[in-house]
Amino acid sequence: GDSVTQMEGPVTLSEEAFLTINCTYTATGYPSLFWYVQYPGEGLQLLLKATKADDKGSNKGFEATYRKETTSFHLEKGSVQVSDSAVYFCALSNISGGGADGLTFGKGTHLIIQP
Amino acid sequence: NAGVTQTPKFRVLKTGQSMTLLCAQDMNHEYMYWYRQDPGMGLRLIHYSVGEGTTAKGEVPDGYNVSRLKKQNFLLGLESAAPSQTSVYFCASSYGRSNTGELFFGEGSRLTVL
Repeated sequence: GDSVTQMEGPVTLSEEAFLTINCTYTATGYPSLFWYVQYPGEGLQLLLKATKADDKGSNKGFEATYRKETTSFHLEKGSVQVSDSAVYFCALSNISGGGADGLTFGKGTHLIIQP
Repeated sequence: NAGVTQTPKFRVLKTGQSMTLLCAQDMNHEYMYWYRQDPGMGLRLIHYSVGEGTTAKGEVPDGYNVSRLKKQNFLLGLESAAPSQTSVYFCASSYGRSNTGELFFGEGSRLTVL
């Protein structure tokens, strides 16, 4: 079945550092890929998405490019802030590949930014 | 603008008791989902609905039942709670199918089964 693998962390960085959170996936067909963010005590919020190969999703300074050849969707940000501290989830939807509706999530990466 | 609202937010049950979690959305979304979140496991899909009167099983449906009698509400029931069902439950909704649309999540319901 479909699956998403991401580094679990916690990942601890200093403010203004460069961020990369790796995400790879296993799926048949052409899944859509997403990054969601969960701040403490809240539900998940969509951060960015890409629906086809080579698409780049971006939002709030975060970027991720859909790489079909490496089955990856790594999240990057050039300069992180304390307010970016949260849990980040990589996810896919594979309806086109015959999967059920809904998202398949990775385990989440806890990001901690220190001042 | 309420979005997705879950009730209750916290609940403690004894093994064998039953309960219902209510999810309500005010965005006129067709699709609704119930997930559970466990440490080290990420979110896993329990059941979902593609419209009023429909339900379908997700990845981990055993021990749960759902109903979607009204478009805006999606109920998750536990008939006989077990300690393995201790978790944080999230409801989500979307206008379109998950491969194109954004899922909107509630704030979660923390359930402890003793």
